[in-house]
Amino acid sequence: DADVTQTPRNRITKTGKRIMLECSQTKGHDRMYWYRQDPGLGLRLIYYSFDVKDINKGEISDGYSVSRQAQAKFSLSLESAIPNQTALYFCATSPLGAPDYEQYFGPGTRLTVT
Amino acid sequence: DAKTTQPNSMESNEEEPVHLPCNHSTISGTDYIHWYRQLPSQGPEYVIHGLTSNVNNRMASLAIAEDRKSSTLILHRATLRDAAVYYCILRDVGGGADGLTFGKGTHLIIQP
Repeated sequence: DADVTQTPRNRITKTGKRIMLECSQTKGHDRMYWYRQDPGLGLRLIYYSFDVKDINKGEISDGYSVSRQAQAKFSLSLESAIPNQTALYFCATSPLGAPDYEQYFGPGTRLTVT
Repeated sequence: DAKTTQPNSMESNEEEPVHLPCNHSTISGTDYIHWYRQLPSQGPEYVIHGLTSNVNNRMASLAIAEDRKSSTLILHRATLRDAAVYYCILRDVGGGADGLTFGKGTHLIIQP
């Protein structure tokens, strides 16, 4: 089984709808992240969480919110989806406290807003 | 995070070594050099990282210039499965906002 899973893998929704993307991990890591990738570009950080009580905005947090329900679960919500939020969304984890950590990524969710 | 510069694309032949360059002339003393790759339709995958000394692991080698202003990711014997976008990322673990800053990376094409 994969260490970092994302659901759904694909989603098509309409403008104005609320949508939640979910991420679960079995690596036991404290840090979790949400990134967005647009075609031909690298990933950009939306939100990150150091633990259940510590959530921080990333580079492009406007229009998004997150919830860290447990150490293993980190959800990303679009309260009112708009077409320019059409993108690939990746969740990632990393261990807390490592001085030069690596991140482990999920397989991604392809979101289309029509 | 400091900026990196990579070629947009590179092409190599299967079973030959590949050297992927990265320039980071504004690197600071606390920046680690990380490499990730993204295979088609997948999430990024960690490859290797280092601070000052050259590093080897089962996937690749990382050669870091003495002045640390550039580095090279070396795939010793490329296979078709190595075709991916390779990202060179500087990571300052001294503080500040967390997360990785991805550029556009190098699109590596492997010819059979």
